[in-house]
Amino acid sequence: GESVGLHLPTLSVQEGDNSIINCAYSNSASDYFIWYKQESGKGPQFIIDIRSNMDKRQGQRVTVLLNKTVKHLSLQIAATQPGDSAVYFCADTIGGSNYKLTFGKGTLLTVNP
Amino acid sequence: EPEVTQTPSHQVTQMGQEVILRCVPISNHLYFYWYRQILGQKVEFLVSFYNNEISEKSEIFDDQFSVERPDGSNFTLKIRSTKLEDSAMYFCASDRGGSGANVLTFGAGSRLTVL
Repeated sequence: GESVGLHLPTLSVQEGDNSIINCAYSNSASDYFIWYKQESGKGPQFIIDIRSNMDKRQGQRVTVLLNKTVKHLSLQIAATQPGDSAVYFCADTIGGSNYKLTFGKGTLLTVNP
Repeated sequence: EPEVTQTPSHQVTQMGQEVILRCVPISNHLYFYWYRQILGQKVEFLVSFYNNEISEKSEIFDDQFSVERPDGSNFTLKIRSTKLEDSAMYFCASDRGGSGANVLTFGAGSRLTVL
C-alpha cells in the first residue's frame, strides 16, 4: 500500500549549518510531493512542492530533491536559523491536484544557537 | 495573508456527545478538507469536499462523521457520538483548485479531547 515515511525522527543542527531532512515513499504512482513545516500549536505550513516530472526545485533557502529511482525525497535548508526549528513533514498524493495527502510521521528539527 | 480559521481551538467533551468543529476557509477557495492528527502520530486525511458534496473520504471517516457547508463561508465537521479514540487535533484546509500552482492551506487546528 502507499506509505510515506521519514528516516530520522529528530535532527539537531547548529545555527548557520545546512540541514537535510529525508523522506521515503513507497508508491511509484505518487506524482506530487510537498514539504510542510509545523510549529508548535500551529497547522502544517507549506514550504515547497515538487512534481514527479522534476528532480529538483529551489525556493528561498530551501531545495527539494526527488529521486524517483529509489523513491526518495529530501528537503535541504540552507543556513538554518532558530526560526526553522519545527517538525517537518513530507506528504505525497496521486492524481494531480487531489489533496488527499499521505503524510509521514515528521522529523523534529532543532536549531542550536 | 489569507488564512484558514478554525474554532474552537480546544474542546473537551464527554464520550458519546456530539461535537461540531468549525472552519472558515479562504474566501476564493473551492476545495475543502479535514485532516486529523492524533498526538504523536502523523497527519491523516479524513475527507475532501467540493461543489457541496464529498469528493473523497478515508476509512476513518465513518458514519459518525459528517461535513457540511451550511453557508457561503463555513465548513463544519460533525462527530455524532464521540469516542475516546476521536481525541486528536483536527485540521481544516482549503485550496482554490484549478490548474496551475496552488497550495493546500491549513488552519491552526482544533484540539478535541474526549473524556
